[in-house]
Amino acid sequence: GEDVEQSLFLSVREGDSSVINCTYTDSSSTYLYWYKQEPGAGLQLLTYIFSNMDMKQDQRLTVLLNKKDKHLSLRIADTQTGDSAIYFCADDNNKLIFGAGTRLAVHP
Amino acid sequence: EPEVTQTPSHQVTQMGQEVILRCVPISNHLYFYWYRQILGQKVEFLVSFYNNEISEKSEIFDDQFSVERPDGSNFTLKIRSTKLEDSAMYFCASKQGEQFFGPGTRLTVL
Repeated sequence: GEDVEQSLFLSVREGDSSVINCTYTDSSSTYLYWYKQEPGAGLQLLTYIFSNMDMKQDQRLTVLLNKKDKHLSLRIADTQTGDSAIYFCADDNNKLIFGAGTRLAVHP
Repeated sequence: EPEVTQTPSHQVTQMGQEVILRCVPISNHLYFYWYRQILGQKVEFLVSFYNNEISEKSEIFDDQFSVERPDGSNFTLKIRSTKLEDSAMYFCASKQGEQFFGPGTRLTVL
């Protein structure tokens, strides 16, 4: 069946860039998403990319999609302590299949 | 900005009781979903709903679960006889292009 995989943990220094990676297996995805979840909270849609795009930039966020390798990444520029959260990658083929989430820790 | 809303935010129930979780999707959206997230785990798809019927359901969505769109705005998830392992955060989502999630209902089964 479809699967989405992410590394589980990333630690960065405040002000540096963070890159969170994700791989997926479904070749019929229409959208690929990044959601942010803070402790005890819901899922905040951060950004998404259509499957026919290579890149999308939205302020500090850059999404890169390599459809051939089924690899998605999220780059957060100038990472701040408020960016500390779990980041979920999800692929959309009518329903969302989520990765296990990457916990981003930002330290001074 | 339109948003998906869910009530209640937290529901505590006894094992074996029925619960109904409620959602109000974004008004012009046509596709509706329920997902759940057991504490510390990934978000799992339960069911999708389109044109007043279930379009897809996962293995989790067994006979104890049902969904309904009783009127033009609400979308409900009913768990007929709750089990301890149903304790989780339940998220409703709606979609016209991209999916938007509600804030979730934390269900605790004692």
